[in-house]
Amino acid sequence: GAVVSQHPSWVICKSGTSVKIECRSLDFQATTMFWYRQFPKQSLMLMATSNEGSKATYEQGVEKDKFLINHASLTLSTLTVTSAHPEDSSFYICSAREDTATNEKLFFGSGTQLSVL
Amino acid sequence: AQSVTQLGSHVSVSEGALVLLRCNYSSSVPPYLFWYVQYPNQGLQLLLKYTSAATLVKGINGFEAEFKKSETSFHLTKPSAHMSDAAEYFCAVSDIGQGAQKLVFGQGTRLTINP
Repeated sequence: GAVVSQHPSWVICKSGTSVKIECRSLDFQATTMFWYRQFPKQSLMLMATSNEGSKATYEQGVEKDKFLINHASLTLSTLTVTSAHPEDSSFYICSAREDTATNEKLFFGSGTQLSVL
Repeated sequence: AQSVTQLGSHVSVSEGALVLLRCNYSSSVPPYLFWYVQYPNQGLQLLLKYTSAATLVKGINGFEAEFKKSETSFHLTKPSAHMSDAAEYFCAVSDIGQGAQKLVFGQGTRLTINP
């Protein structure tokens, strides 16, 4: 089946630094990918929709300058948390939408646990 | 706005017993409804989805869910729990017009299976 690889699975960084998270569709092309954030014991919250070759669409309340999204190819989207602070510590999950002629499916990465000291 | 409420953040059943995970949704338009499962250190996998066809939906691993519009519910069931069913389960809703795009998730229910 289709696989989405998310890397790294776990990262610790110092406050003020930037962290990049990668989301790759391994065996299919994904024009659209999604980035979610999950706090402990809470729902996955959609942060933004990443569109290949164009600007990402951010959900209300998500700072686009803080969470930079780049979707330069049909198999890779990156989320960069800039000038990270402890409140950015969270679990980030990506998903990729497989576009086929007859079906549309979402496949999820395994997530990235970010801890900002 | 759409929302999903999963009743019970943690459910524990004995192996072989009935599994029932509750999900209620709120949507101003006809919804698509989904159940996902997440095993430790893995991504979310689609268990089943309701897309306005049959109200009783059968998914993988013996799970099924019934869409009840009058109760705004989409509870997940499995007749006989297996140890391998231990995982986190998420209910999600999407606007029919958006298909599999913007999903609103519940907070998740952790299922524990007792031997």
